[in-house]
Amino acid sequence: DVKVTQSSRYLVKRTGEKVFLECVQDMDHENMFWYRQDPGLGLRLIYFSYDVKMKEKGDIPEGYSVSREKKERFSLILESASTNQTSMYLCASRPEVQPQHFGDGTRLSIL
Amino acid sequence: GENVEQHPSTLSVQEGDSAVIKCTYSDSASNYFPWYKQELGKRPQLIIDIRSNVGEKKDQRIAVTLNKTAKHFSLHITETQPEDSAVYFCAASDNFNKFYFGSGTKLNVKP
Repeated sequence: DVKVTQSSRYLVKRTGEKVFLECVQDMDHENMFWYRQDPGLGLRLIYFSYDVKMKEKGDIPEGYSVSREKKERFSLILESASTNQTSMYLCASRPEVQPQHFGDGTRLSIL
Repeated sequence: GENVEQHPSTLSVQEGDSAVIKCTYSDSASNYFPWYKQELGKRPQLIIDIRSNVGEKKDQRIAVTLNKTAKHFSLHITETQPEDSAVYFCAASDNFNKFYFGSGTKLNVKP
């Protein structure tokens, strides 16, 4: 069974902090994704990666960056957290030409 | 880019009734359409998917239909049960590149 693990289920940070959200998958998938989930807006893609050290912007990349130094790990970085980044963050991974598998999500609150 | 619209946003049915959730998409290049179920506090899980070379797919009590000409696809759940209560998301993808999600439908099955 595919396992996508996000390091924290709940996280509370302060405005202006640099925040790291970590995601690890154990199935050697090439593709990894970061989404944010907000009520009434569904899932919106922030960044994705097709391979190590490769990244591409999704639909809402502003205020975020990512890092993929190893194939199994994809990190989302909030450079300077703001209150409008309070949200549920979902990581996903998938092999080629297959559907995505999601992690349990990190509920991030920025105070 | 692709735009996926999903209706209704909330749906309440009596146990045993059928439920239908509809999605439309805008990009004719989209050719893969998964449906995800997200129970409260849990990760989205793939429940059924359809590719553009078929018009209908069924798996026990759930089915998905696709009308490529009209650019819409629907999820049908028959003989609903309380455990079907969840948020359901549709998505559209072009060759498994980016996935575009609908805004979600909260289904409530009343016992």
